[in-house]
Parts: sequence; C-alpha cells; structure tokens
Amino acid sequence: EDKVVQSPLSLVVHEGDTVTLNCSYEVTNFRSLLWYKQEKKAPTFLFMLTSSGIEKKSGRLSSILDKKELFSILNITATQTGDSAVYLCAVEDDYKLSFGAGTTVTVRA
Amino acid sequence: NAGVTQTPKFRVLKTGQSMTLLCAQDMNHEYMYWYRQDPGMGLRLIHYSVGEGTTAKGEVPDGYNVSRLKKQNFLLGLESAAPSQTSVYFCASSSLAHPPHTGELFFGEGSRLTVL
Repeated sequence: EDKVVQSPLSLVVHEGDTVTLNCSYEVTNFRSLLWYKQEKKAPTFLFMLTSSGIEKKSGRLSSILDKKELFSILNITATQTGDSAVYLCAVEDDYKLSFGAGTTVTVRA
Repeated sequence: NAGVTQTPKFRVLKTGQSMTLLCAQDMNHEYMYWYRQDPGMGLRLIHYSVGEGTTAKGEVPDGYNVSRLKKQNFLLGLESAAPSQTSVYFCASSSLAHPPHTGELFFGEGSRLTVL
C-alpha cells in the first residue's frame, strides 16, 4: 500500500520567517510528487516534481525532490499571513494520487 | 470557466438512506477521481476512472459505487449511508498534459455530507 508521510503536522511562525515542510513516501511505481495548498475549500496546485535534485520555484515557494532517499521538501521564505493554509503532498502511482495528511501552517502577524 | 462542478454542496442524510453525488467537468479530461477528506487524514481516494465506461477502486471504496457513463460526468453513490461516511467529498479531474504523468488535479469545491 502506498504511503505518504508529512511532517510536521502543524507549525506556527511569524511573518518573515522561513518554513520547511517535509514529505516522505513509499510507493510501488513512483511517477511524480505534487504539492498543493488548501485554504478554505479545494486544494490548489503548487508544484509537480519528477526528477531528483531539480528545484522548482514560484515566488517565495520552492521545492525539491530526492528520489534516492524518497522525500521532498517545500520551502516558504519571507512568510506572510496569506501563506496560512494546509499544505498537502501527493505521490502519483499508476495514474492516481495518494495524499499525505497535510501540514497546517499558521503565520502570525 | 466552470472547471469541475460538484452537486450538491451540502447534504444531510439519515442512516440507511441513499444518495448520489454528481461531478461534472468541462475540460475534456480523461481521468476523474473521488476523494474524501476527514480531519487529520488528508485526502483518501475512494474510486477513480481513467476513461468513459471504466472505473477502479481506490484506497477506501467500501460502501460506495461509481459510474462514468459519459466522459464529462463521474457519479458517486452511497447505497446505504452510515455515520462513518460523514465527510467532505472532493471530485477531481486531470488530463494527460504531461504524459506519462497524471499531472495537476483540478478539484471541485467539495460536498459536505453529514449522516445522522
């Protein structure tokens, strides 16, 4: 059975801090790893990673994948209150995604 | 720009009742999924479909049935609802924009179901 574990489960930071979220996985037939941000309703897509060692960046967010050690990290620099959300990691295995439980990030002003 | 639309958005059922959740997408996507989300457990896959007329079981299929008679629609049915099925249900779709990867999932807004 596919397994996706995220850590920490939750964290509280102050505006301007840097946050690092972790995602480790065990899947039978790894194809890709995706990160999503979920605020009130539906998750919204952040990144898709398929190759080790290649950092993807979007503004203050960046992510990298290590296929040898089976994990990914998501970094958020210079955090803002709008970054408060649940961040979900998902791993693709044979055309379906398995999600982790998520990390709840709270950014205080 | 409708994207993925779920109906109904909210529903309260009594134990033993049946209901159907409808998911419709207008992006001509091949793949469609039903997930449930419970506090502290992330999203768990119920059933999915890789094309019209095909369905497959996900991680938590028991108590649910699905049908994909038309490419744009994916129906999730509860034949005899149980309190354990109280949850928020999300439908999603994806294309083969980055073959052989599924690529980004596009989610509906969610349907909150309460079973008393």
